[in-house]
Amino acid sequence: EDQVTQSPEALRLQEGESSSLNCSYTVSGLRGLFWYRQDPGKGPEFLFTLYSAGEEKEKERLKATLTKKESFLHITAPKPEDSATYLCAVQATVAAGNKLTFGGGTRVLVKP
Amino acid sequence: GAVVSQHPSWVICKSGTSVKIECRSLDFQATTMFWYRQFPKQSLMLMATSNEGSKATYEQGVEKDKFLINHASLTLSTLTVTSAHPEDSSFYICSARERPEAFFGQGTRLTVV
Repeated sequence: EDQVTQSPEALRLQEGESSSLNCSYTVSGLRGLFWYRQDPGKGPEFLFTLYSAGEEKEKERLKATLTKKESFLHITAPKPEDSATYLCAVQATVAAGNKLTFGGGTRVLVKP
Repeated sequence: GAVVSQHPSWVICKSGTSVKIECRSLDFQATTMFWYRQFPKQSLMLMATSNEGSKATYEQGVEKDKFLINHASLTLSTLTVTSAHPEDSSFYICSARERPEAFFGQGTRLTVV
């Protein structure tokens, strides 16, 4: 069974204090790993897709990396508007119906 | 990115009544849509996969007679919560794939009183 574990569950940062979020996964062949941002009361907003180990993607202060067992979301010099829950999800190559398996999320709070 | 629109954003209904939630892909066609449920401070739980023109596939433990899914066109899927009870109160979110990514609607907050 595919599994995704995110850590830490919650993260409090000072503005400008860089940090990393972890997403560990167990999947029967990885088709893709996805990162989303979710604000309270809203649906998840797509950030990145990673497909193979060694791949990296960046968007503003966010950078996602991928290994064979885990992915990291690095937040560089965060601002208060980066406060959100960050969700990681995987799709297996043999996933029935192309469904995603989500981790529990990391709640990030950036204080000014 | 692609846009998925969900309606309504919130709804309050009386116990025993039914509620319909719509999910539309605005700028692409989606043969498959997904319905999730999310409890406070928890992650998304997949309820069912909605397939255009055929029956939905429900995850284990999800009552198909309570959560009716219809995917009548390539841009619209609906979730109907039948005979709603307070324990059905939750945040419901739909998703559509525009490969390879999946895009999500804004979510619907359902409160059953």
